[in-house]
Amino acid sequence: TQLLEQSPQFLSIQEGENLTVYCNSSSVFSSLQWYRQEPGEGPVLLVTVVTGGEVKKLKRLTFQFGDARKDSSLHITAAQPGDTGLYLCARRGGLPSNTGKLIFGQGTTLQVKP
Amino acid sequence: DAGITQSPRHKVTETGTPVTLRCHQTENHRYMYWYRQDPGHGLRLIHYSYGVKDTDKGEVSDGYSVSRSKTEDFLLTLESATSSQTSVYFCAISEWASGGTDTQYFGPGTRLTVL
Repeated sequence: TQLLEQSPQFLSIQEGENLTVYCNSSSVFSSLQWYRQEPGEGPVLLVTVVTGGEVKKLKRLTFQFGDARKDSSLHITAAQPGDTGLYLCARRGGLPSNTGKLIFGQGTTLQVKP
Repeated sequence: DAGITQSPRHKVTETGTPVTLRCHQTENHRYMYWYRQDPGHGLRLIHYSYGVKDTDKGEVSDGYSVSRSKTEDFLLTLESATSSQTSVYFCAISEWASGGTDTQYFGPGTRLTVL
């Protein structure tokens, strides 16, 4: 099984603090996606990273794909209560590779207190 | 919003009963997926479909079957529900871009409780 390990699993911080969530695998993957999920809703795609070393920014969120394409990180600057939610990383899952199947990490639950 | 609806949104049933969950899409997407979400496991793929009457298994398919007789509907059936199938079930579709990458859009989920 091509596992994705996310850390930490839970994070509770004060508004204004910075945080980083990690997503790691023992194998190389062609691309990685980050999703955010709010309670009672389905996950929503935030970003897809494809190239080793790639950095993408989405307002206060910075996504990085490791040079060896085995890991990725999500950094949030000056977290706000609206950032509260479950953050999931996901990679393509097995063959055939063009079917869109995804393998998800176990998720990081973020709580940002006002 | 990719026009995905799921029904029912909540269901409580008893062990041993059959249950069918429905996913409906309005935008003619070819690929559809059923995932289940449990604490500590993220989302895990149950089955997926790549066209009408074309389906395949995911990583946790035991105890589940699917059918797709029309492009817009993808049904997930639990033939004989067990307590281990208590979960939140999400349907998703893939929207493919010209560069070969895709974006998955998820439905709102169905919370199933098997007593």
